[in-house]
Amino acid sequence: QVQLVESGGGVVQPGRSLRLSCAASGFSFRTSAMHWVRQAPGKGLEWVAVISYDGNNIYYADSLKGRFAISRDNSKNTLSLQMNSLRTEDTAVYYCARDSSRMTVVINYYFDYWGQGTLVTVSS
Amino acid sequence: QPVLTQSPSASASLGASVKLTCTLSSGHSTYAIAWHQQQPERGPRYLMKVDNDGTHNKGYDSRNKGDGIPDRFSGSSSGAERYLTISSLQSEDEADYYCQTWGTGFVVFGGGTRLTVL
Repeated sequence: QVQLVESGGGVVQPGRSLRLSCAASGFSFRTSAMHWVRQAPGKGLEWVAVISYDGNNIYYADSLKGRFAISRDNSKNTLSLQMNSLRTEDTAVYYCARDSSRMTVVINYYFDYWGQGTLVTVSS
Repeated sequence: QPVLTQSPSASASLGASVKLTCTLSSGHSTYAIAWHQQQPERGPRYLMKVDNDGTHNKGYDSRNKGDGIPDRFSGSSSGAERYLTISSLQSEDEADYYCQTWGTGFVVFGGGTRLTVL
């Protein structure tokens, strides 16, 4: 079955960096677009970024451009999110999610599987 | 980009039905949406995609439901509104429900509706 397992969360000081990972299994990762979505404590969902199956098409939420970088390693079935210059408002649970498209070159931009999330706390 | 509006809360009795609404902003009434459920302390779960009411069966195709989603969950559309109907409510349906829409290079979520099962 499809499994998405995030890791790498923790407590980090403002201005520092953190790298999240998402280990995928149970489906063809290399042909699937993938997303990161976050949720601040007690708040709603906020989309972060998407990466196409081959990494050639990447989009970010406007508010995050320049600080976050999404990437993937298809040889390791792993999705990553590099977060730089972290701010207190980046405190959230970060989820990876699979795009629902089963056509390799198409991104549907909605998600059919989610991970359980990893908590990032930005605090001094 | 469209904006999605959801009521912050809803409630219904065990065994009853409830219809949750997600409203697309002006000028964006043809957008499809997806519904996701988030039970307490858990990651979200995909429920279904709902197209606009100009498509087959008023935007709802059961083939667009997530894996394992019971038949009690269904969707529909009318104009700029997208609906999620849950029938025969069970205690485990108590959760937050989010609608989501998209375009090339962006994704937008509604604020979510917290459903209480009485």
